[in-house]
Amino acid sequence: DTEVTQTPKHLVMGMTNKKSLKCEQHMGHRAMYWYKQKAKKPPELMFVYSYEKLSINESVPSRFSPECPNSSLLNLHLHALQPEDSALYLCASSQAPRRGADTQYFGPGTRLTVL
Amino acid sequence: RKEVEQDPGPFNVPEGATVAFNCTYSNSASQSFFWYRQDCRKEPKLLMSVYSSGNEDGRFTAQLNRASQYISLLIRDSKLSDSATYLCVVSTGNQFYFGTGTSLTVIP
Repeated sequence: DTEVTQTPKHLVMGMTNKKSLKCEQHMGHRAMYWYKQKAKKPPELMFVYSYEKLSINESVPSRFSPECPNSSLLNLHLHALQPEDSALYLCASSQAPRRGADTQYFGPGTRLTVL
Repeated sequence: RKEVEQDPGPFNVPEGATVAFNCTYSNSASQSFFWYRQDCRKEPKLLMSVYSSGNEDGRFTAQLNRASQYISLLIRDSKLSDSATYLCVVSTGNQFYFGTGTSLTVIP
């Protein structure tokens, strides 16, 4: 099973709302990632969690707050977003963070619209 | 300089054609190489990993040239269902670097 699940599939929120995106994998992967993807662009890395610890933050604004409650779950908490944050948010996982030879598997994404 | 450079296309080819995509990477310490396929409004899906010896999966052949830091993907006998964006991905440690993607449309 190479499945990464994400909820919700679609989310519309106002600039003052607080919402969370959820990601789950049961492949025993120890690295999990959040990416943001705008139309006709490649995914842009936001955060990397390695063994449930934040290992990379690509200078993401604090209105995005990641959380890794356990090795299977990854959340992205959203607060006071801007319309330009509207995008497809992709979660991914890979097996062993430092081996460098592992495949990354993506969830279906959450399509976020900020009004 | 970008970590991964890829010709964005678009490539418009007739059914049955052979098409090749190329990608270069800047970090000689890069360890793993992949081609992903992404359909419109969907997530990227792994098409194939790329090995130094080259590898083939049906109509798809991937090549890696470490000396030139170059990766390629060849699609033979193109099908309409091959229409998608093809992303070259290079990894170093737990960092994955994406090319801009190459758009392919196969025309009946």
